[in-house]
Amino acid sequence: EAGVTQFPSHSVIEKGQTVTLRCDPISGHDNLYWYRRVMGKEIKFLLHFVKESKQDESGMPNNRFLAERTGGTYSTLKVQPAELEDSGVYFCASTPNQVTEAFFGQGTRLTVV
Amino acid sequence: GQNIDQPTEMTATEGAIVQINCTYQTSGFNGLFWYQQHAGEAPTFLSYNVLDGLEEKGRFSSFLSRSKGYSYLLLKELQMKDSASYLCAARGYQKVTFGTGTKLQVIP
Repeated sequence: EAGVTQFPSHSVIEKGQTVTLRCDPISGHDNLYWYRRVMGKEIKFLLHFVKESKQDESGMPNNRFLAERTGGTYSTLKVQPAELEDSGVYFCASTPNQVTEAFFGQGTRLTVV
Repeated sequence: GQNIDQPTEMTATEGAIVQINCTYQTSGFNGLFWYQQHAGEAPTFLSYNVLDGLEEKGRFSSFLSRSKGYSYLLLKELQMKDSASYLCAARGYQKVTFGTGTKLQVIP
């Protein structure tokens, strides 16, 4: 069974550019989460999808971040325009329901220069 | 709100036992996770405690006290490969909140 996959694994972009991160959850997992880890700090919740609906997006830093999950399968997280403080590792996780452990992807390391 | 506290770093000797503590404050508590994360890799699931008490899985055990908002991860017979960050995470009503992680270094 394929795990959670994220693309790209690394991205280096200039300040002001746009980047789109993709997450493919484990097939059949309705719950999809985005997290971010800035260097030296804890993993922070960004948002939670149940199928295609945003269940909780209280962790999204600002309106430069846009997450979508069309069709309830894969999800994208777009940062536009990117700022230096957006650098970090963006993790995606999926679960079949809300009472089991989350399976994490390898993460996308975003560097904004 | 939700708050998770755990030590930033710990060092232990190969073959020894180490206990990593975690205290949490969260609304709508539904369980406590421990994840292991090696540098540059995804967090991997270790344990999930919902009820009070100790759960053992091989060399790793996890304990939870809901009344005290406290958990610990116990690692026995430490191996060099156990050097990693250990993340405590509390499940609230709908989301999981992570602590900063405890970086464990196992030395010979």
